[in-house]
Parts: sequence; structure tokens; C-alpha cells
Amino acid sequence: AQSVSQHNHHVILSEAASLELGCNYSYGGTVNLFWYVQYPGQHLQLLLKYFSGDPLVKGIKGFEAEFIKSKFSFNLRKPSVQWSDTAEYFCAVNPPFSGGYNKLIFGAGTRLAVHP
Amino acid sequence: EPEVTQTPSHQVTQMGQEVILRCVPISNHLYFYWYRQILGQKVEFLVSFYNNEISEKSEIFDDQFSVERPDGSNFTLKIRSTKLEDSAMYFCASSESWQGAGYTFGSGTRLTVV
Repeated sequence: AQSVSQHNHHVILSEAASLELGCNYSYGGTVNLFWYVQYPGQHLQLLLKYFSGDPLVKGIKGFEAEFIKSKFSFNLRKPSVQWSDTAEYFCAVNPPFSGGYNKLIFGAGTRLAVHP
Repeated sequence: EPEVTQTPSHQVTQMGQEVILRCVPISNHLYFYWYRQILGQKVEFLVSFYNNEISEKSEIFDDQFSVERPDGSNFTLKIRSTKLEDSAMYFCASSESWQGAGYTFGSGTRLTVV
């Protein structure tokens, strides 16, 4: 079945460590890709998105993601995490031919805990 | 920055009761969506709405669910007869275009069915 996979369900890091969260999708064709963050008790907030162009996308709060078409991947990275990055991170895909009405298919999420 | 506003933030209802969750999308957006997130699970698409009609719905969105844009600003999700398994966080979203420009989520309504 077509899906979005986030392989790391829980990640624990110390402050200043580097972060990479994996995201793979199984849709063919042109897709739009997103990373959202959800801080405890808050709503989904867009970190970054990729529609076309440079496959290395920079987002807010020092996050970036790289689209690798051949690997169907869109991994999220941050060189040095902070305690305030503790949150749940969701990868999402706008699959092709979704009627043009733009539904998002989400991965299961990765819960990141950063220890001081 | 423009926001999608959802009310109430938390609603508790008895099984079998009808609930209406309310959303005010961003004013110049034309595409509206509902998603839900059962505790500990992924965010799931429910329905998209454009030009005063449903454009796509998931298999979750059965006859117990309906959406409406009763006036120029509100976008509502109605659950006709709630079940325990409807307990979840419900997110409204809106976007400017079908290509996803400005796709913005609201802060959610936590629905608890008892």
C-alpha cells in the first residue's frame, strides 16, 4: 500500500548533538513533501516544504531536509539540537493525483527528546 | 501571521450525542480540510472541501460525518452520533490553492467521548 514511513519512533539526544530523522514515501510521480513539528499540547507547525527546485530545503529553527528522488526519501536534519526542539516530528506527503485538492498523508511521527 | 482558529479547544460528549466542531479558516483561502489524530497515532486525512462541496473524503469519513460552510467564514465538522472511537484531536486546515500554498493547520479540538 502507498504510504509514508518514519522509521524512528523515538529519538533521544543530548543538546548539541546532530539530528537526522528519516522519511520515506512510496508514491510514484511528482509529490510535494512537508515536515511538521508538534510541540507538547500545541498544533502542527510547518517546518519546511519541498515542491520543486533545489532538493536541499532550509526551514525554520535551523532545520533542513534533503529530497532524494531515487531513494524516495526526504530526511530532516539539524546540525545541533536544543532542549527546545523536544517535540514530535511528522513527515507528510501530498500524493500525486489526489484530485488536485491537496490532502496530506502523514507518517507515524518521531518523538524527539533532547536532554540538557 | 494569519491563523486557522478552532473552537472549542476541548469537548467532552456522551456516546450517541451529536457534536459540531468549528473552524474559521484563513480568510482568503479556498480549500478546507479536516484531519484527526487518535492519541498516540498518526494524523489522518478525513475530508477536503472546495467550492461548497466535498472534493475528497477518506474511508473514515462515513455517513456519521458531515461538513458544512454555513456562512462566509466558518467551516464545521459534524459527527451525528458519536462513538467512543471518535475520541481524538481534530485538526482543521486551509490552503490558498490546490498546490498547497499557505497550507495552515489550526490548534485542534480534543474530542472526548464518554
